[in-house]
Amino acid sequence: AQKITQTQPGMFVQEKEAVTLDCTYDTSDPSYGLFWYKQPSSGEMIFLIYQGSYDQQNATEGRYSLNFQKARKSANLVISASQLGDSAMYFCAMTQGGYQKVTFGTGTKLQVIP
Amino acid sequence: GAVVSQHPSRVICKSGTSVKIECRSLDFQATTMFWYRQFPKQSLMLMATSNEGSKATYEQGVEKDKFLINHASLTLSTLTVTSAHPEDSSFYICSADTGNDHQPQHFGDGTRLSIL
Repeated sequence: AQKITQTQPGMFVQEKEAVTLDCTYDTSDPSYGLFWYKQPSSGEMIFLIYQGSYDQQNATEGRYSLNFQKARKSANLVISASQLGDSAMYFCAMTQGGYQKVTFGTGTKLQVIP
Repeated sequence: GAVVSQHPSRVICKSGTSVKIECRSLDFQATTMFWYRQFPKQSLMLMATSNEGSKATYEQGVEKDKFLINHASLTLSTLTVTSAHPEDSSFYICSADTGNDHQPQHFGDGTRLSIL
């Protein structure tokens, strides 16, 4: 069975600073995908970044980067130059094998302080 | 990019009413759609996998007679909450699979259901 763990219920970061949101996963399948989603208070799920288990390099998308440490089974999200609009819930998620069924972590609430 | 439309965005109705929520993929065909439920300050809980042209697959503990799912076309899945009660009040959100392995699912904007 696949499992996603986010150990930080809440995080604060100063505007313009970088922040790292932690995510660890557990799976026995060598083929899997890791995702990060942002959920603002309005509720929609916004896809941020994806990392495949066979990808050699860490994924980056603008201010978002994924620190993928396969041996440690971690997939931390790094947000650089935080903005007030980054305040939201952040979910780490995973698919495994060829299946699209997604397992979500419990989420981290990020608050950016002016 | 792929767009998923979910309607309605908010519903308030009396106990005993049945409520239908629609999830449409606007610019792609989705053979598989997923329905999630989210309680306040909690994560998304998968309720069921909706497969076009066949019966939905429900997760353990989800009442299939309570939460009816129909996926009659490649662009539309519906979730009907039958005889809704206050405990069914929640945020329901759908997602659609583009068919590509390990590609992100595309989510609708969700429906806030409040049963009085």
